[in-house]
Amino acid sequence: DTGVSQDPRHKITKRGQNVTFRCDPISEHNRLYWYRQTLGQGPEFLTYFQNEAQLEKSRLLSDRFSAERPKGSFSTLEIQRTEQGDSAMYLCASSLDGDRYFGSGTRLTVV
Amino acid sequence: AQRVTQPEKLLSVFKGAPVELKCNYSYSGSPELFWYVQYSRQRLQLLLRHISRESIKGFTADLNKGETSFHLKKPFAQEEDSAMYYCASRGSNYKLTFGKGTLLTVNP
Repeated sequence: DTGVSQDPRHKITKRGQNVTFRCDPISEHNRLYWYRQTLGQGPEFLTYFQNEAQLEKSRLLSDRFSAERPKGSFSTLEIQRTEQGDSAMYLCASSLDGDRYFGSGTRLTVV
Repeated sequence: AQRVTQPEKLLSVFKGAPVELKCNYSYSGSPELFWYVQYSRQRLQLLLRHISRESIKGFTADLNKGETSFHLKKPFAQEEDSAMYYCASRGSNYKLTFGKGTLLTVNP
């Protein structure tokens, strides 16, 4: 599969623990996006990278959230001290100055 | 701030009937509008964009700036059209703003 891949597909964690998700974009895509989707809602923008530079962050991205794309290829999204409200599907997408291609997402459940 | 409204959470039609999924947007400039679709157990994918003025899988959508709408239409629905549909807008930055989605069910 040469599309956007995300790992893990599912993550169950206890409240207060840290979690990290990984996204591998389509190889030549220079832009990478993170979205969060909760039940009954559309995807909500979190942040985006052009190459390794993080160019925009949503106000939804509290201090507990951090995202990196160190070499302009894969990206990680870390959530520190998880809360039950962080339970959601975290989607990654990539693009080459055009259409976004989405991954299958990481479903996070905080118990 | 951009906002996209999809007033119907659920829409159910019979096979062969026309279908229209509504989308209204609010943006002070000239946004780009898109429809995304998510079939059961598949990832979110682009269906069509207003710039292309194309028909994909029999679906069309016309941007009406006066009514700030971008409704998705198909004259004869098929069972395989059953899916979640999201309308989205993109302004001058690269941020996509999505609506809450409409679940379309096409009954046999």
